[in-house]
Amino acid sequence: SQKIEQNSEALNIQEGKTATLTCNYTNYSPAYLQWYRQDPGRGPVFLLLIRENEKEKRKERLKVTFDTTLKQSLFHITASQPADSATYLCAPSNMNTGFQKLVFGTGTRLLVSP
Amino acid sequence: DGGITQSPKYLFRKEGQNVTLSCEQNLNHDAMYWYRQDPGQGLRLIYYSQIVNDFQKGDIAEGYSVSREKKESFPLTVTSAQKNPTAFYLCASSIRNEQFFGPGTRLTVL
Repeated sequence: SQKIEQNSEALNIQEGKTATLTCNYTNYSPAYLQWYRQDPGRGPVFLLLIRENEKEKRKERLKVTFDTTLKQSLFHITASQPADSATYLCAPSNMNTGFQKLVFGTGTRLLVSP
Repeated sequence: DGGITQSPKYLFRKEGQNVTLSCEQNLNHDAMYWYRQDPGQGLRLIYYSQIVNDFQKGDIAEGYSVSREKKESFPLTVTSAQKNPTAFYLCASSIRNEQFFGPGTRLTVL
C-alpha cells in the first residue's frame, strides 16, 4: 500500500536559518505533490504544489523540490521566523482535476526559536 | 468571505449516541471530503463526494455516514457503531489541485 513518511520528530531551528523538511513515499508514483501547513487545533492550509516534471518550485521564502528517482520531496523555508512554527504535511497525488483523493503524511512539526 | 465552516467547534457525546457534524462551503466547489485526525497520525479519509447526491467511502468509513443533498453541505454522522470516535474531524472541499479545509470539530466521547 502507499506509504508517506515524514520525520515524526520535531525540527528545532534558530530564527534566520533555513529549515528543511523531508517527505518520502513508497509504493507510489505521484504526478503531483502538495505541501500544507497546519497550526494546532486548526485545519491545514495549502502552500505549494509541484509537478513531477518540475524539479523545483518557489514561493516567497518557500522552496520545494521533487525527486521522482529518490521518491522524495524536500520543503525548505529560508530566513525562518518564529511565525513559521507549525506542522507541515505533504500529500502526493496523481489527479489534476477538481477531485483529489489525497494521502497525507503524518507531518513534521517545525519550531523556530527567536 | 468565501470559505468552509464547521460546527460545532467542540462536541461531547455519550457512548451509544449518534452525533452529526456540520460542514458548509460557499466556494462553489463540487468535491467535498471528511477526514479524521488523531494525535501523531496523518489525516485519514472517511468519506468523499465528487458531486451532489453522490458520495464514496474513504479508507475508514465504518461507523460513519454522510449525505450530500446540496452542493454547499456535507454533514457527517458519527454513529454508535464507531468504536473509537474521539478525534479531530476536518471537512474540506476542492477545485483544481488544492484542498480547502474548515476549522475542524473536536469530538470527545465521554
